[in-house]
Amino acid sequence: QKEVEQDPGPLSVPEGAIVSLNCTYSNSAFQYFMWYRQYSRKGPELLMYTYSSGNKEDGRFTAQVDKSSKYISLFIRDSQPSDSATYLCAMSPLGQNFVFGPGTRLSVLP
Amino acid sequence: EPEVTQTPSHQVTQMGQEVILRCVPISNHLYFYWYRQILGQKVEFLVSFYNNEISEKSEIFDDQFSVERPDGSNFTLKIRSTKLEDSAMYFCASGPTRSPLHFGNGTRLTVT
Repeated sequence: QKEVEQDPGPLSVPEGAIVSLNCTYSNSAFQYFMWYRQYSRKGPELLMYTYSSGNKEDGRFTAQVDKSSKYISLFIRDSQPSDSATYLCAMSPLGQNFVFGPGTRLSVLP
Repeated sequence: EPEVTQTPSHQVTQMGQEVILRCVPISNHLYFYWYRQILGQKVEFLVSFYNNEISEKSEIFDDQFSVERPDGSNFTLKIRSTKLEDSAMYFCASGPTRSPLHFGNGTRLTVT
């Protein structure tokens, strides 16, 4: 089993839809969780950063962490064509370096 | 907003040549990283650097790789003798603590 798994997509949704992006992981030591957005040929851009289980909201984005299920999610409300990108989850144990998921390609159609 | 800057944006080199990839991290950050992303694959950790020394490195970061912080602002990755399989995007990242990380836009390295 891979350490961090993501559905690679591509995921296509109409503009205005609610998008749900998910990662599962196997290492119960993971404590820190991040979501990045990566446009083609650009660096990953930090969207959300969470430490504990629960929800964190920032504008149209909500990050959800369920440590008991080893499952994290990113929800995007009122999706826009500019949200079309690859979304990467990343996670780490305390004091160690981050492991990235393979990414999910999202396409928001006007 | 401060950002991590990387140069060059694209580097083409011949197999066996040495390359140096340069990064200027965000100025008040203390933790520095290099990651690699082969086309179509996931972002992979190479090395982390803190307090002027390597704090952790992956199995990818073998003897042909080295990092340096030659002055107060630059952070470099050197590949001594490039191989075809070193072709990838190389991302520099920095953080005020170990997390979260802020990434640059990368250097695309093409080894021919």
